[in-house]
Amino acid sequence: DTAVSQTPKYLVTQMGNDKSIKCEQNLGHDTMYWYKQDSKKFLKIMFSYNNKELIINETVPNRFSPKSPDKAHLNLHINSLELGDSAVYFCASSQAGIGELFFGEGSRLTVL
Amino acid sequence: ELKVEQNPLFLSMQEGKNYTIYCNYSTTSDRLYWYRQDPGKSLESLFVLLSNGAVKQEGRLMASLDTKARLSTLHITAAVHDLSATYFCAVVLPGTASKLTFGTGTRLQVTL
Repeated sequence: DTAVSQTPKYLVTQMGNDKSIKCEQNLGHDTMYWYKQDSKKFLKIMFSYNNKELIINETVPNRFSPKSPDKAHLNLHINSLELGDSAVYFCASSQAGIGELFFGEGSRLTVL
Repeated sequence: ELKVEQNPLFLSMQEGKNYTIYCNYSTTSDRLYWYRQDPGKSLESLFVLLSNGAVKQEGRLMASLDTKARLSTLHITAAVHDLSATYFCAVVLPGTASKLTFGTGTRLQVTL
């Protein structure tokens, strides 16, 4: 039973399209995150939600819009995809105040 | 802005040898994490270091934290091929219980 699951695992799409990635955690955590890992393996936080409330919003283009319908789910919608959006997007969860993150398997986005 | 640097970025070592990966960070923090990532896979939590002088060991890996020097080390003893992976340290930004800033990563290759 996967603790943090993301779908889809792979996304290949054309520039200008819109796509979504979904994430669900069954760990009972109250905080969820989106991280972006680029081709050099650098990991950077994008967003974080605590109990459905946005608490971290890094300098990310407005084309990226997260949504958390409940504390177990965090989705990421990307509009007007660009070549530079190609990366692996990781969802993670943690219990607030503890900090240790548990990561999903990642969603590899390729924009052509 | 919190900066987290690791060195070396790439490490090739023979089985049976010992080596240390260093993680330096720029702002006071009393929580540091080590993660492992296999190629194409998710990030797996290895160690959570919560106080100055903390030392944790698991198998051939030992992690330590010196908050005064803003330095953590990950020591590898008698390396084996299975340890080949990329290792990340991550630091909590002070005042933000949830925001982990990751280091640049160290790609470890253990050769036979």
